[in-house]
Amino acid sequence: DADVTQTPRNRITKTGKRIMLECSQTKGHDRMYWYRQDPGLGLQLIYYSFDVKDINKGEISDGYSVSRQAQAKFSLSLESAIPNQTALYFCATSDSAKRYNEQFFGPGTRLTVL
Amino acid sequence: SQQGEEDPQALSIQEGENATMNCSYKTSINNLQWYRQNSGRGLVHLILIRSNEREKHSGRLRVTLDTSKKSSSLLITASRAADTASYFCAIQGGSEKLVFGKGTKLTVNP
Repeated sequence: DADVTQTPRNRITKTGKRIMLECSQTKGHDRMYWYRQDPGLGLQLIYYSFDVKDINKGEISDGYSVSRQAQAKFSLSLESAIPNQTALYFCATSDSAKRYNEQFFGPGTRLTVL
Repeated sequence: SQQGEEDPQALSIQEGENATMNCSYKTSINNLQWYRQNSGRGLVHLILIRSNEREKHSGRLRVTLDTSKKSSSLLITASRAADTASYFCAIQGGSEKLVFGKGTKLTVNP
């Protein structure tokens, strides 16, 4: 969905490096999410934010941190990357004004940690 | 766990055939959603069915929900090669979060 963008699209890094993945949206949604997807598996929720001042841990937050710089921007950081964080990372948004939580996804960032 | 479990894990059919994927879950839900993912890309929302609904249609998609059996099915009729993708169910229960299953990988052969 072109309304949700992620940068970079691909990243190769080394063990121990700190990296940041960025997500921006033009949908005007207040809610944003970071997910991780491993091969053959579904999505696991890392962190989510229901507004700029609200940050919540998901299922697998260890080793990750986030920052909601503005309503439209939500970044994910790996403080000290390790190989088992190699995965596909997705940002998603939703609108709390809608009764049901339909989510809109970015194109993903493929991260490889060597 | 609230996670949906899709069945089968993989499905291969010929163009023109119907494809049926199932999702089972363990807790009460507010709604159940189906998403599609083309290889390596972001998920795209297909259809949502509320807990008080039993069936819903959208184009060639038909979704059913049986809350007594805690299961849902997604039917794609007259499949096309372009339907080749992974399909995920996502459960929304009492919280605002969605919990995704592991997906069914559908291959439609021309």
